[in-house]
Amino acid sequence: GESVGLHLPTLSVQEGDNSIINCAYSNSASDYFIWYKQESGKGPQFIIDIRSNMDKRQGQRVTVLLNKTVKHLSLQIAATQPGDSAVYFCAERGANSGYALNFGKGTSLLVTP
Amino acid sequence: EAGVAQSPRYKIIEKRQSVAFWCNPISGHATLYWYQQILGQGPKLLIQFQNNGVVDDSQLPKDRFSAERLKGVDSTLKIQPAKLEDSAVYLCASSLVSGGGAYEQYFGPGTRLTVT
Repeated sequence: GESVGLHLPTLSVQEGDNSIINCAYSNSASDYFIWYKQESGKGPQFIIDIRSNMDKRQGQRVTVLLNKTVKHLSLQIAATQPGDSAVYFCAERGANSGYALNFGKGTSLLVTP
Repeated sequence: EAGVAQSPRYKIIEKRQSVAFWCNPISGHATLYWYQQILGQGPKLLIQFQNNGVVDDSQLPKDRFSAERLKGVDSTLKIQPAKLEDSAVYLCASSLVSGGGAYEQYFGPGTRLTVT
């Protein structure tokens, strides 16, 4: 079946460096993508989203890049801070899925001082 | 603005017992979702409500799981009887509308269920 997955299960970066978290998706009909951050013991928190008619979207310290040719999504975090340590999930919504989100397995980001 | 509320936060039961979870979405949010998140995995949608009607319950194990949203606001998710593999965090989320409208889903803190 269709799936959303992440290239790396864990990522360790130094405080102040930039982080890049990658995600591959397989449903070419997906029209909307979201990145969520989940801290221990909490529910996922929305970070940024992007529609399939865009290839880049920027937020505060975060940028999402979408490459539909290779079905790849990435989240870039600038000047990573200790508070960014969490598990990051990409999620996609297929145009025919009833608008439900399909989540990947997650990447654990650890920010070291 | 108050977020999505869930209770209880933790529950431990023995297999074959029953359990119920409660969710109160953000005021005014028409769409409510229940997700199951097994340790180390992303959330998996169980059921989606639009007001008090079911939009998608294709991944809900209907032989043991049930959910309702009678008045289009609060929702309950029930498991009867529970199995060991039901151990997970059950997340409730809500959004203003589904489809092409305002879509951002807001998640509650979840209920961590342990089945022994």
